[in-house]
Amino acid sequence: DGGITQSPKYLFRKEGQNVTLSCEQNLNHDAMYWYRQDPGQGLRLIYYSQIVNDFQKGDIAEGYSVSREKKESFPLTVTSAQKNPTAFYLCASSIEVRYEQYFGPGTRLTVT
Amino acid sequence: GIQVEQSPPDLILQEGANSTLRCNFSDSVNNLQWFHQNPWGQLINLFYIPSGTKQNGRLSATTVATERYSLLYISSSQTTDSGVYFCAVENDYKLSFGAGTTVTVRA
Repeated sequence: DGGITQSPKYLFRKEGQNVTLSCEQNLNHDAMYWYRQDPGQGLRLIYYSQIVNDFQKGDIAEGYSVSREKKESFPLTVTSAQKNPTAFYLCASSIEVRYEQYFGPGTRLTVT
Repeated sequence: GIQVEQSPPDLILQEGANSTLRCNFSDSVNNLQWFHQNPWGQLINLFYIPSGTKQNGRLSATTVATERYSLLYISSSQTTDSGVYFCAVENDYKLSFGAGTTVTVRA
């Protein structure tokens, strides 16, 4: 089955700790994305990657970091510098940038 | 950045009713996508529609790029259509999302 997987579904962390969210796709897509969604709001772009070993900041990159060492994987690290990390995080991919995006099931992160 | 406004913010329908959701955007865009988010948070891509009209079953969408708006039509609504509908526009390789329209279909 082709698709995008995100793990874990729920994640709890203490304030001051870094945490890494996983995103894997087996769709052979070049482009991958990370979004953040807060309750009752739309999605906001954190980072995107057009191709392996390349990534660009989105609208709200502060306090986050990413890597793209493999085509299939685009992990997101939420660092202790992110002031309000509690949110729903969604990963997406597309065959290339500017094409239709497909989303994973998301990870709900709670930091206390 | 581009502003994306969706209306109405909330919509309550009786099963079998038809409805129209609207998306206005503030600048020219390369493409426009409509998504449905179910109550568990999963987003499904409904349409990739930079211009023109497309249909997929009971759903159809029209984008008039020159006038900077898009419409999503739901016909003969079913309870499974409930959820949040998002419009997203792409400019400079980035998708900007509207705040969504929450649709509740009652049996």
